[in-house]
Amino acid sequence: GAGVSQTPSNKVTEKGKYVELRCDPISGHTALYWYRQSLGQGPEFLIYFQGTGAADDSGLPNDRFFAVRPEGSVSTLKIQRTERGDSAVYLCASSFEGTPQLNEKLFFGSGTQLSVL
Amino acid sequence: DAKTTQPTSMDCAEGRAANLPCNHSTISGNEYVYWYRQIHSQGPQYIIHGLKNNETNEMASLIITEDRKSSTLILPHATLRDTAVYYCIVRVAFEANDYKLSFGAGTTVTVRA
Repeated sequence: GAGVSQTPSNKVTEKGKYVELRCDPISGHTALYWYRQSLGQGPEFLIYFQGTGAADDSGLPNDRFFAVRPEGSVSTLKIQRTERGDSAVYLCASSFEGTPQLNEKLFFGSGTQLSVL
Repeated sequence: DAKTTQPTSMDCAEGRAANLPCNHSTISGNEYVYWYRQIHSQGPQYIIHGLKNNETNEMASLIITEDRKSSTLILPHATLRDTAVYYCIVRVAFEANDYKLSFGAGTTVTVRA
């Protein structure tokens, strides 16, 4: 019965380092989303998974960002050669099927605050 | 290109109804209006959605004008825990490729005792 879980809740890294952010969606949810939120702004879409496959990665800002969901459950967002501009809250959400026709609710985790020094 | 326009911020009194406006003058016939809110340090939380009829659930009511160009989210008895950023989003419900929510800056609502 747990909600969407994201770890770590906070991550501090140095410029140029590699980071991984983890998302555990609600059990049984096949759709998983990653968003990024900068201070004072609304969440910005990054990537959407339906099952194991990335159905839409059009929101990833560049090729330093990559996400996987190998078994269709847990997902990892990977950022290479981090830059100070990557500092933000990274939010994960899941929904039952990801079918817009069903007007599904998205359930969000509390996010990972990434700080790149 | 924002699909919705919301006031940047508003205050309301605890125990009173909070009416949050949203303009969506370019809304299409197959687009729904969704409301989410984000309490500090948490992820967004779904509140309610509607197409053209007014909707009510345990959290709020949604009033959509007849021409669908604007809507109002009503929190009937605001509490301090309702202090949050409220996002009004329009979303096509029947397009297979349009599954993602696009958030604007929202309205920062502060409930005061």
